[in-house]
Amino acid sequence: GENVEQHPSTLSVQEGDSAVIKCTYSDSASNYFPWYKQELGKRPQLIIDIRSNVGEKKDQRIAVTLNKTAKHFSLHITETQPEDSAVYFCAASRTDSWGKLQFGAGTQVVVTP
Amino acid sequence: GAVVSQHPSRVICKSGTSVKIECRSLDFQATTMFWYRQFPKQSLMLMATSNEGSKATYEQGVEKDKFLINHASLTLSTLTVTSAHPEDSSFYICSASGPHGNYGYTFGSGTRLTVV
Repeated sequence: GENVEQHPSTLSVQEGDSAVIKCTYSDSASNYFPWYKQELGKRPQLIIDIRSNVGEKKDQRIAVTLNKTAKHFSLHITETQPEDSAVYFCAASRTDSWGKLQFGAGTQVVVTP
Repeated sequence: GAVVSQHPSRVICKSGTSVKIECRSLDFQATTMFWYRQFPKQSLMLMATSNEGSKATYEQGVEKDKFLINHASLTLSTLTVTSAHPEDSSFYICSASGPHGNYGYTFGSGTRLTVV
């Protein structure tokens, strides 16, 4: 089955700096890669996603890149703000299991003013 | 669109009792629902996949007789934790997916279960 590894487990950044979280996956059939932000005690919120036919996607301060050959994808947050502090999860899914996600272990991001 | 409601948000129960958690898709037909469990400071672990009108498929290591899943309609799936024990205390969260994967990846608000 799919195995998703996520690094780092914790990330402290100064407000205004950039944050990068990296994930690798094992199943070459995976073709959908969402990123979630989860605040304490709340549900994961989808912040950005990318499909395997795209190499990069950007939404304001958030971007995701995908390298299918190397089987890794990354989340980039620019101009970080204190409200970006949360746990971020990457995930992977494949066409024949719509909605079934394999999650990474998560990254605790702390943005200090 | 793609709203998933989960109830209750919090529940405290005594050891040995059963607890039922509901997951509803409010504005779409959920042909598939997924149940995840999340322990504190850990990731979401898939417990089972339920398709409307058929038996749920459980992930390895998940006891199907302990975690009963029913997906009797296109808008409702239930997870019943039977004979709950303190080690079952966790955050349980569902997600729902429509036909052809539409509206997938939308999560319910989660249920914090505490077994005392």
